[in-house]
Amino acid sequence: EDQVTQSPEALRLQEGESSSLNCSYTVSGLRGLFWYRQDPGKGPEFLFTLYSAGEEKEKERLKATLTKKESFLHITAPKPEDSATYLCAVQARIQGAQKLVFGQGTRLTINP
Amino acid sequence: DTGVSQDPRHKITKRGQNVTFRCDPISEHNRLYWYRQTLGQGPEFLTYFQNEAQLEKSRLLSDRFSAERPKGSFSTLEIQRTEQGDSAMYLCASSLAGLETQYFGPGTRLLVL
Repeated sequence: EDQVTQSPEALRLQEGESSSLNCSYTVSGLRGLFWYRQDPGKGPEFLFTLYSAGEEKEKERLKATLTKKESFLHITAPKPEDSATYLCAVQARIQGAQKLVFGQGTRLTINP
Repeated sequence: DTGVSQDPRHKITKRGQNVTFRCDPISEHNRLYWYRQTLGQGPEFLTYFQNEAQLEKSRLLSDRFSAERPKGSFSTLEIQRTEQGDSAMYLCASSLAGLETQYFGPGTRLLVL
């Protein structure tokens, strides 16, 4: 069964303190790995899609990387507005299967 | 592009009542998905449609749950005889076939008393 585990569950940083969030996954053939940001009471907001090991994508202070077993979301010099829950999800390469399997998320707090 | 919209945003109901939620996807998207999210957890897949055909259903989708997408545009999710365990955020997402990224709506928060 496809599974996603994110660590840590919660992370507090000072403004400007860089760090990384981890997403470990097991999937029967990876079609794509997705990162979303979710603010309290809102739906997930799409950040990145990664398709193959070695791929990297960047957006502002965020960079996502992918290996065959895990993905990292690196946050450089974060600001308080980066505080949110970050969700990782995988989609399996199975004919007709479209569902995303999510981890439980990492709750990130950036203190000013 | 107005994004995915959901209605209502909040619903409070009594145990045993039926509720219906609506989702309007991004206009050109032909795939539509329903997920459920409880506090502190990631979203869990319920079902998905391509155009008007319901192609995949999760084991989570009990007999009390039914989803429709009659004309391949908006979708409804109905829960019959609600139970307290149905309290959750119900999320809708849409995508374009051939492109894997799913875009989520704001969700409908359901509270069953």
